[in-house]
Amino acid sequence: GQQVMQIPQYQHVQEGEDFTTYCNSSTTLSNIQWYKQRPGGHPVFLIQLVKSGEVKKQKRLTFQFGEAKKNSSLHITATQTTDVGTYFCAGGDYKLSFGAGTTVTVRA
Amino acid sequence: SAVISQKPSRDICQRGTSLTIQCQVDSQVTMMFWYRQQPGQSLTLIATANQGSEATYESGFVIDKFPISRPNLTFSTLTVSNMSPEDSSIYLCSVNRDGIQYFGAGTRLSVL
Repeated sequence: GQQVMQIPQYQHVQEGEDFTTYCNSSTTLSNIQWYKQRPGGHPVFLIQLVKSGEVKKQKRLTFQFGEAKKNSSLHITATQTTDVGTYFCAGGDYKLSFGAGTTVTVRA
Repeated sequence: SAVISQKPSRDICQRGTSLTIQCQVDSQVTMMFWYRQQPGQSLTLIATANQGSEATYESGFVIDKFPISRPNLTFSTLTVSNMSPEDSSIYLCSVNRDGIQYFGAGTRLSVL
């Protein structure tokens, strides 16, 4: 099945700084989805990317899908304490394969 | 969107016992999915539950250990059987609607 790798596993960020988490697949993906899981919570859908080279923005979050549809990134600018949590990428159609996640902590 | 109710939200169980987790969706869906999230880990798909047929299990998961019921298009149960401490995890029910995966709040299971 599909394997989705995600790095880094942990990201410690100073409040106000930017960071990026990366996702790579061993195979071409039909789409990629990003989820956020707050501490003690469950994964919540953030966005879906479908087209090659697609870029979508949600306020301070920028999501990108690679030209070959094998990689994706999530870039957060001006990190806030509300950004704390684990960000997962996931690929696949109806059966998602999740990356390991990037757990973000923020230093105020 | 999809509203998924899952219960119990948490439980502490003795080894050797079984726990049944219930999942209710706000409207009919063809497939319901059960995931496991071990402490500090990512989500792993256990099985896909289809109404009217046996669940489809992923590699490493078997029906005897994780029997699943799907009596109708809005409800499913997952049983964790003959539990051991290694089964301590979060178990999540999920549905796919319009290409988006929605999750229940999860069942946090601790096995002593």
